[in-house]
Amino acid sequence: DSGVTQTPKHLITATGQRVTLRCSPRSGDLSVYWYQQSLDQGLQFLIQYYNGEERAKGNILERFSAQQFPDLHSELNLSSLELGDSALYFCASSHGQGTAGELFFGEGSRLTVL
Amino acid sequence: QQQVKQSPQSLIVQKGGISIINCAYENTAFDYFPWYQQFPGKGPALLIAIRPDVSEKKEGRFTISFNKSAKQFSLHIMDSQPGDSATYFCAASRANNNDMRFGAGTRLTVKP
Repeated sequence: DSGVTQTPKHLITATGQRVTLRCSPRSGDLSVYWYQQSLDQGLQFLIQYYNGEERAKGNILERFSAQQFPDLHSELNLSSLELGDSALYFCASSHGQGTAGELFFGEGSRLTVL
Repeated sequence: QQQVKQSPQSLIVQKGGISIINCAYENTAFDYFPWYQQFPGKGPALLIAIRPDVSEKKEGRFTISFNKSAKQFSLHIMDSQPGDSATYFCAASRANNNDMRFGAGTRLTVKP
């Protein structure tokens, strides 16, 4: 158990809809990262937050947005969903800035868009 | 955005053999190079990591070899076991841990 909690584990929705994925980082971790993993694809970096502020951005679509709240949990919002958005979305956390170190991953939220 | 290139995409090794997975990176600002292991239905978990001040790091049956001038690093799994069957990802990150980039992954199958 990594200590990172993601909900929901599975989500099925229709094209055009909007969903929110939630992540609770490990206790004490200030940084939260979101990654997308499509079938047979690697981990595509979406966005990172540190203590409530955006710190780094990957090729996150404009239809997607994220935020980190004062209690450090994070939400990834996906809107106007398309079939191609079907993927496993992972959240990871780390202690924070400074020397690079281990990311702790949750078990992912599997999104299916029909 | 693929800043880390990983090969092969899949690998089949006999039990007791050596598994070798290679990665190359582009950004010379990267200074932390971890390998993650992912089992089906689970999130990736850190296996072993290296920083560029050393050329090799060994932990049990797992070894990272690092070539800074070539901007390449590799994972060697000695005496591979069926329980090692998983997907392996290399990654690279800058000092402040922002923006960790992952390779495309290698699906390793170790046959008994």
